[in-house]
Amino acid sequence: DQQVKQNSPSLSVQEGRISILNCDYTNSMFDYFLWYKKYPAEGPTFLISISSIKDKNEDGRFTVFLNKSAKHLSLHIVPSQPGDSAVYFCAASAHRAGNNRKLIWGLGTSLAVNP
Amino acid sequence: DAGVIQSPRHEVTEMGQEVTLRCKPISGHDYLFWYRQTMMRGLELLIYFNNNVPIDDSGMPEDRFSAKMPNASFSTLKIQPSEPRDSAVYFCASSRRTSGNEQFFGPGTRLTVL
Repeated sequence: DQQVKQNSPSLSVQEGRISILNCDYTNSMFDYFLWYKKYPAEGPTFLISISSIKDKNEDGRFTVFLNKSAKHLSLHIVPSQPGDSAVYFCAASAHRAGNNRKLIWGLGTSLAVNP
Repeated sequence: DAGVIQSPRHEVTEMGQEVTLRCKPISGHDYLFWYRQTMMRGLELLIYFNNNVPIDDSGMPEDRFSAKMPNASFSTLKIQPSEPRDSAVYFCASSRRTSGNEQFFGPGTRLTVL
């Protein structure tokens, strides 16, 4: 039972355009969401996070949007660069529930940014 | 600052052998996590520690898997006996108590059991 779903296994965009990666979750107890980027033969690298008390968080070219009613979040990368080509993972936790540190992960979306 | 250090980076062993994976977390981090990544199941949390104490080991697949954290700077994940279905990439990650829940990952150990 996949509690965090990334329904697009892959995405291809042109350099300079916007990349939008989507993530859906089913557990209403989730209150903290994170996006990670992973290059081949490396561990995942933290990118950006958002608490359920917010609906948007921005860091440079990266913005995460949270729609709690739809149980949906998205990561926007603007403008996309070839170096952004990687696998992107969405993760969620029920952080306030007893300081739970367990992250539930999506299966990832492979982003290819074409020059 | 050094990141999370894992060793070995690659391990090839035969079925039935004992495998020990090692992890050194980032200094000052309170939490340590062991993950397994496979194509079919993605990233799965196996176990995590807080201040060297195991908190949640519900992801440990079976008794063949065990993890220890004897001190704040070292942890091991042991598989005994190993089986071909244990072949995967194993990641160690650490985080601070004061962070939201951002975990910092090591480079992983690619385990192949023949």
